[in-house]
Amino acid sequence: AQSVTQLDSHVSVSEGTPVLLRCNYSSSYSPSLFWYVQHPNKGLQLLLKYTSAATLVKGINGFEAEFKKSETSFHLTKPSAHMSDAAEYFCVVSANNQGGKLIFGQGTELSVKP
Amino acid sequence: KAGVTQTPRYLIKTRGQQVTLSCSPISGHRSVSWYQQTPGQGLQFLFEYFSETQRNKGNFPGRFSGRQFSNSRSEMNVSTLELGDSALYLCASSLVASGGAIDTQYFGPGTRLTVL
Repeated sequence: AQSVTQLDSHVSVSEGTPVLLRCNYSSSYSPSLFWYVQHPNKGLQLLLKYTSAATLVKGINGFEAEFKKSETSFHLTKPSAHMSDAAEYFCVVSANNQGGKLIFGQGTELSVKP
Repeated sequence: KAGVTQTPRYLIKTRGQQVTLSCSPISGHRSVSWYQQTPGQGLQFLFEYFSETQRNKGNFPGRFSGRQFSNSRSEMNVSTLELGDSALYLCASSLVASGGAIDTQYFGPGTRLTVL
């Protein structure tokens, strides 16, 4: 069965410093992986997705993630945090080849200090 | 293109009542999935509809049901509401490839249900 584990429930960084949000996955086949962001009282916005093309995936707002099969990881990074990046981030895996069912990690809350 | 819309945005009900939530997908999207978000359980998959048929189902009791119409709009219904059903209910829509696989799910703003 597919699953994802987000290794940190809360990450705090200073504005202008790098961001690293960690995610490990488990999948019985080549997975589709996603990062979504949720700002307070808002829906989920897609940041980026991996679907077996390039292992380094670039997303919106300067975020990127690297798929590492040997480590079963899909960590999210950004070189320089902005105050507007403060939100909850979810690592997500597709439960099956159809893609209609997503399995979410527990989320990582990112705080950005001025 | 307009995004996924959900109505109503907020709802307050009492235990034992039933509720219907509505989701209008992005134009051209034929797959609609529903998720429940709570502080304790996080985001959990409820069900997915494609071509008016339930294609995937999560681990929720039969009180939770849904349907999809020929225009791809979807509704979900919760009967005999319990306090634990208080949650944010999110709907997502997707394009469907010729083989039936979907690519990316795009989410609506959600319906906040409070059960008193």
